[in-house]
Amino acid sequence: AQKVTQAQTEISVVEKEDVTLDCVYETRDTTYYLFWYKQPPSGELVFLIRRNSFDEQNEISGRYSWNFQKSTSSFNFTITASQVVDSAVYFCALMNSNSGYALNFGKGTSLLVTP
Amino acid sequence: DTAVSQTPKYLVTQMGNDKSIKCEQNLGHDTMYWYKQDSKKFLKIMFSYNNKELIINETVPNRFSPKSPDKAHLNLHINSLELGDSAVYFCASSQDGGGTEAFFGQGTRLTVV
Repeated sequence: AQKVTQAQTEISVVEKEDVTLDCVYETRDTTYYLFWYKQPPSGELVFLIRRNSFDEQNEISGRYSWNFQKSTSSFNFTITASQVVDSAVYFCALMNSNSGYALNFGKGTSLLVTP
Repeated sequence: DTAVSQTPKYLVTQMGNDKSIKCEQNLGHDTMYWYKQDSKKFLKIMFSYNNKELIINETVPNRFSPKSPDKAHLNLHINSLELGDSAVYFCASSQDGGGTEAFFGQGTRLTVV
Protein backbone atom coordinates (compact mmCIF):
# COMPACT_ATOMS: atom_id res chain seq x y z
CA ALA A 1 0.00 0.00 0.00
CA GLN A 2 1.12 3.51 -0.68
CA LYS A 3 0.30 6.31 1.64
CA VAL A 4 1.41 9.82 2.48
CA THR A 5 0.60 11.22 5.90
CA GLN A 6 0.76 14.86 6.80
CA ALA A 7 -0.30 14.76 10.41
CA GLN A 8 -0.39 18.52 10.86
CA THR A 9 -3.65 19.81 9.48
CA GLU A 10 -3.10 23.46 10.34
CA ILE A 11 -0.13 25.40 11.66
CA SER A 12 -0.11 29.03 12.68
CA VAL A 13 3.11 30.95 13.28
CA VAL A 14 4.17 34.53 13.66
CA GLU A 15 6.34 36.05 10.98
CA LYS A 16 10.06 35.29 11.27
CA GLU A 17 9.49 32.05 13.16
CA ASP A 18 10.87 28.83 11.72
CA VAL A 19 8.33 26.13 10.93
CA THR A 20 8.64 22.48 9.95
CA LEU A 21 6.00 20.63 7.99
CA ASP A 22 6.06 16.88 8.51
CA CYS A 23 5.57 14.24 5.85
CA VAL A 24 5.67 10.49 6.41
CA TYR A 25 5.25 8.06 3.54
CA GLU A 26 4.68 4.33 3.07
CA THR A 27 5.73 2.31 0.07
CA ARG A 28 7.21 -1.12 -0.58
CA ASP A 29 9.03 0.03 -3.67
CA THR A 30 12.73 0.69 -3.57
CA THR A 31 12.47 3.27 -6.33
CA TYR A 32 10.17 6.16 -5.69
CA TYR A 33 9.99 9.93 -5.83
CA LEU A 34 8.89 12.46 -3.26
CA PHE A 35 7.58 15.94 -3.91
CA TRP A 36 6.39 19.06 -2.17
CA TYR A 37 3.86 21.42 -3.71
CA LYS A 38 2.54 24.76 -2.47
CA GLN A 39 -1.03 25.93 -2.98
CA PRO A 40 -1.37 29.62 -2.10
CA PRO A 41 -4.79 31.20 -1.51
CA SER A 42 -4.99 32.00 -5.23
CA GLY A 43 -5.37 28.26 -5.80
CA GLU A 44 -2.63 27.22 -8.20
CA LEU A 45 -0.31 24.33 -7.39
CA VAL A 46 3.35 25.27 -7.40
CA PHE A 47 6.11 22.68 -7.60
CA LEU A 48 8.77 23.12 -4.90
CA ILE A 49 11.03 20.08 -4.90
CA ARG A 50 11.50 16.53 -6.16
CA ARG A 51 13.65 13.87 -4.53
CA ASN A 52 14.31 10.32 -5.68
CA SER A 53 14.68 7.46 -3.22
CA PHE A 54 18.39 7.05 -3.90
CA ASP A 55 19.29 10.58 -3.03
CA GLU A 56 19.06 11.27 0.68
CA GLN A 57 21.04 14.45 0.52
CA ASN A 58 19.23 17.29 2.20
CA GLU A 59 18.50 20.34 0.14
CA ILE A 60 18.38 24.03 0.87
CA SER A 61 16.87 26.66 -1.38
CA GLY A 62 16.86 30.10 0.17
CA ARG A 63 14.65 29.96 3.25
CA TYR A 64 13.39 26.49 2.33
CA SER A 65 15.07 23.25 3.31
CA TRP A 66 14.12 19.61 3.06
CA ASN A 67 15.19 16.70 5.23
CA PHE A 68 14.81 13.28 3.63
CA GLN A 69 15.32 10.30 5.95
CA LYS A 70 14.66 6.85 4.56
CA SER A 71 15.16 5.26 7.98
CA THR A 72 12.04 6.99 9.26
CA SER A 73 10.27 7.28 5.86
CA SER A 74 10.06 11.01 6.29
CA PHE A 75 10.52 13.98 4.00
CA ASN A 76 10.10 17.06 6.13
CA PHE A 77 10.04 20.64 4.94
CA THR A 78 11.34 23.59 6.95
CA ILE A 79 10.74 27.24 6.28
CA THR A 80 13.21 29.50 8.03
CA ALA A 81 12.21 33.03 9.02
CA SER A 82 8.68 32.60 7.73
CA GLN A 83 6.94 35.40 5.90
CA VAL A 84 3.28 36.23 5.35
CA VAL A 85 3.65 35.19 1.69
CA ASP A 86 4.44 31.67 2.88
CA SER A 87 0.82 31.28 3.97
CA ALA A 88 -0.52 28.43 1.86
CA VAL A 89 -1.47 24.79 1.89
CA TYR A 90 1.56 22.56 1.42
CA PHE A 91 1.24 19.10 -0.04
CA CYS A 92 3.69 16.26 0.17
CA ALA A 93 3.34 13.59 -2.54
CA LEU A 94 4.75 10.19 -3.47
CA MET A 95 5.18 8.82 -6.97
CA ASN A 96 6.35 5.43 -8.24
CA SER A 97 5.56 2.77 -10.77
CA ASN A 98 2.79 1.33 -8.58
CA SER A 99 0.91 4.59 -8.88
CA GLY A 100 1.46 4.66 -12.63
CA TYR A 101 3.76 7.58 -11.93
CA ALA A 102 0.87 9.72 -10.78
CA LEU A 103 1.23 11.83 -7.66
CA ASN A 104 -0.23 10.31 -4.53
CA PHE A 105 -0.83 13.32 -2.30
CA GLY A 106 -1.05 13.73 1.44
CA LYS A 107 -3.98 15.70 2.79
CA GLY A 108 -1.97 18.88 3.05
CA THR A 109 -0.91 21.20 5.85
CA SER A 110 -2.40 24.65 5.96
CA LEU A 111 0.19 27.17 7.10
CA LEU A 112 -0.83 30.59 8.29
CA VAL A 113 1.87 33.15 8.90
CA THR A 114 0.69 36.27 10.71
CA PRO A 115 2.53 39.58 10.94
CA ASP B 1 3.62 32.33 -21.53
CA THR B 2 1.41 29.91 -19.60
CA ALA B 3 2.93 26.43 -19.51
CA VAL B 4 -0.24 24.49 -18.68
CA SER B 5 -3.49 26.30 -19.35
CA GLN B 6 -7.03 25.22 -18.61
CA THR B 7 -10.27 26.73 -19.71
CA PRO B 8 -12.58 27.75 -18.28
CA LYS B 9 -11.35 28.81 -14.86
CA TYR B 10 -14.87 28.81 -13.43
CA LEU B 11 -17.81 26.73 -14.57
CA VAL B 12 -21.27 26.88 -13.03
CA THR B 13 -23.84 24.55 -14.48
CA GLN B 14 -27.03 22.74 -13.67
CA MET B 15 -27.41 19.11 -12.78
CA GLY B 16 -27.81 16.86 -15.74
CA ASN B 17 -25.83 19.04 -18.14
CA ASP B 18 -22.78 17.95 -20.12
CA LYS B 19 -19.65 20.08 -19.94
CA SER B 20 -16.03 20.03 -21.06
CA ILE B 21 -12.83 21.40 -19.62
CA LYS B 22 -9.93 21.99 -21.98
CA CYS B 23 -6.23 21.70 -21.18
CA GLU B 24 -3.19 22.54 -23.24
CA GLN B 25 0.50 22.41 -22.41
CA ASN B 26 3.30 24.09 -24.33
CA LEU B 27 6.16 22.40 -22.48
CA GLY B 28 6.61 19.58 -24.99
CA HIS B 29 5.80 17.05 -22.27
CA ASP B 30 4.77 13.48 -23.05
CA THR B 31 2.43 12.85 -20.12
CA MET B 32 -0.71 14.69 -19.05
CA TYR B 33 -3.01 14.20 -16.09
CA TRP B 34 -6.33 15.17 -14.59
CA TYR B 35 -6.59 15.52 -10.83
CA LYS B 36 -9.63 16.33 -8.74
CA GLN B 37 -9.47 18.44 -5.58
CA ASP B 38 -12.49 18.09 -3.32
CA SER B 39 -13.92 20.54 -0.84
CA LYS B 40 -11.48 19.34 1.83
CA LYS B 41 -8.58 20.09 -0.52
CA PHE B 42 -7.77 16.43 -1.04
CA LEU B 43 -6.09 15.86 -4.43
CA LYS B 44 -6.65 12.63 -6.28
CA ILE B 45 -5.55 11.37 -9.68
CA MET B 46 -8.31 10.69 -12.19
CA PHE B 47 -6.54 9.96 -15.48
CA SER B 48 -3.16 10.09 -17.09
CA TYR B 49 -2.17 9.94 -20.73
CA ASN B 50 1.25 9.31 -22.20
CA ASN B 51 1.65 10.27 -25.85
CA LYS B 52 -2.13 10.20 -26.33
CA GLU B 53 -2.42 6.74 -24.76
CA LEU B 54 -4.47 6.23 -21.60
CA ILE B 55 -2.20 5.04 -18.78
CA ILE B 56 -4.22 5.54 -15.63
CA ASN B 57 -7.96 5.39 -15.26
CA GLU B 58 -8.76 5.52 -11.58
CA THR B 59 -12.13 4.64 -10.14
CA VAL B 60 -13.98 7.47 -11.77
CA PRO B 61 -17.60 7.30 -12.95
CA ASN B 62 -17.79 6.61 -16.66
CA ARG B 63 -19.60 9.92 -17.03
CA PHE B 64 -16.07 11.33 -17.06
CA SER B 65 -14.27 10.82 -20.35
CA PRO B 66 -10.84 12.21 -21.16
CA LYS B 67 -9.86 12.89 -24.73
CA SER B 68 -6.36 13.52 -25.99
CA PRO B 69 -6.39 14.72 -29.61
CA ASP B 70 -2.63 15.21 -29.52
CA LYS B 71 0.25 15.19 -27.09
CA ALA B 72 -0.27 18.80 -26.08
CA HIS B 73 -3.97 18.56 -25.25
CA LEU B 74 -6.01 16.59 -22.75
CA ASN B 75 -9.66 17.54 -22.43
CA LEU B 76 -12.14 16.31 -19.85
CA HIS B 77 -15.75 15.78 -20.79
CA ILE B 78 -18.35 15.18 -18.12
CA ASN B 79 -21.83 13.88 -18.89
CA SER B 80 -24.95 14.17 -16.77
CA LEU B 81 -23.36 16.33 -14.12
CA GLU B 82 -24.23 15.64 -10.50
CA LEU B 83 -23.98 17.79 -7.38
CA GLY B 84 -21.10 15.63 -6.14
CA ASP B 85 -19.02 16.52 -9.18
CA SER B 86 -18.51 20.01 -7.75
CA ALA B 87 -14.78 20.35 -7.18
CA VAL B 88 -11.64 21.93 -8.58
CA TYR B 89 -10.19 20.01 -11.50
CA PHE B 90 -6.51 20.36 -12.25
CA CYS B 91 -4.73 19.45 -15.43
CA ALA B 92 -1.01 18.74 -15.22
CA SER B 93 1.84 17.59 -17.41
CA SER B 94 5.23 16.01 -16.87
CA GLN B 95 8.13 15.38 -19.18
CA ASP B 96 8.04 11.62 -19.34
CA GLY B 97 5.75 10.35 -16.61
CA GLY B 98 8.61 8.33 -15.14
CA GLY B 99 9.21 10.23 -11.94
CA THR B 100 9.63 13.74 -13.24
CA GLU B 101 7.80 16.61 -11.61
CA ALA B 102 4.35 17.58 -12.80
CA PHE B 103 3.38 21.16 -13.62
CA PHE B 104 -0.19 22.14 -13.00
CA GLY B 105 -2.71 24.37 -14.68
CA GLN B 106 -4.53 26.98 -12.64
CA GLY B 107 -7.49 24.71 -12.03
CA THR B 108 -11.15 24.80 -13.05
CA ARG B 109 -13.67 25.33 -10.29
CA LEU B 110 -16.78 23.39 -11.28
CA THR B 111 -19.97 24.13 -9.40
CA VAL B 112 -23.04 22.03 -10.12
CA VAL B 113 -26.32 23.54 -8.93
